[in-house]
Amino acid sequence: DQQVKQNSPSLSVQEGRISILNCDYTNSMFDYFLWYKKYPAEGPTFLISISSIKDKNEDGRFTVFLNKSAKHLSLHIVPSQPGDSAVYFCAASEGETSGSRLTFGEGTQLTVNP
Amino acid sequence: DTEVTQTPKHLVMGMTNKKSLKCEQHMGHRAMYWYKQKAKKPPELMFVYSYEKLSINESVPSRFSPECPNSSLLNLHLHALQPEDSALYLCASSQWTGAISNYGYTFGSGTRLTVV
Repeated sequence: DQQVKQNSPSLSVQEGRISILNCDYTNSMFDYFLWYKKYPAEGPTFLISISSIKDKNEDGRFTVFLNKSAKHLSLHIVPSQPGDSAVYFCAASEGETSGSRLTFGEGTQLTVNP
Repeated sequence: DTEVTQTPKHLVMGMTNKKSLKCEQHMGHRAMYWYKQKAKKPPELMFVYSYEKLSINESVPSRFSPECPNSSLLNLHLHALQPEDSALYLCASSQWTGAISNYGYTFGSGTRLTVV
């Protein structure tokens, strides 16, 4: 049972444009969400997170939006850069104080073309 | 030092071998984790150590044996593995198990394990 789903295995965008990566979840107990970025032969790198009490969190070029009623979140990268090309994982946790277990989506391969 | 270091980076072992994966962090983190990632799949939690004590075992087969000798080190001892255990094994740490909100995990680069 995949509780966190990233339905797009890949996404290709032009440099300078916006990249939008989507994530859906089914477990209503999830209330903290994170995005990780992974290059080949490296471990995932934490990008940005959002608590369920918010609907938006912004950090530089990265913005995460959360729609709790739809159980949907998205990561916006603008402007996209070739160095952003990587696999992006959405992850969820059941509460900030239960953050020891993260459930990951299957990832989206983002390719930013020069 | 803001890294989690994993050794070796690659390991090939036979089904009768005994080997160990090592993980080290010097960030003062008190929670450490082992994840397993198969090709084109998400990372899956195996074990969580909190303050050097095993707090979560996700029903992992006993051929995988974790050990946390001190707050900076985490080992994963491997014995009698099967070819289907071939995967990328990721170590991670966080300040403590309740600190996901601020920092997320810090992951190591992983050990690519092949069982032949």
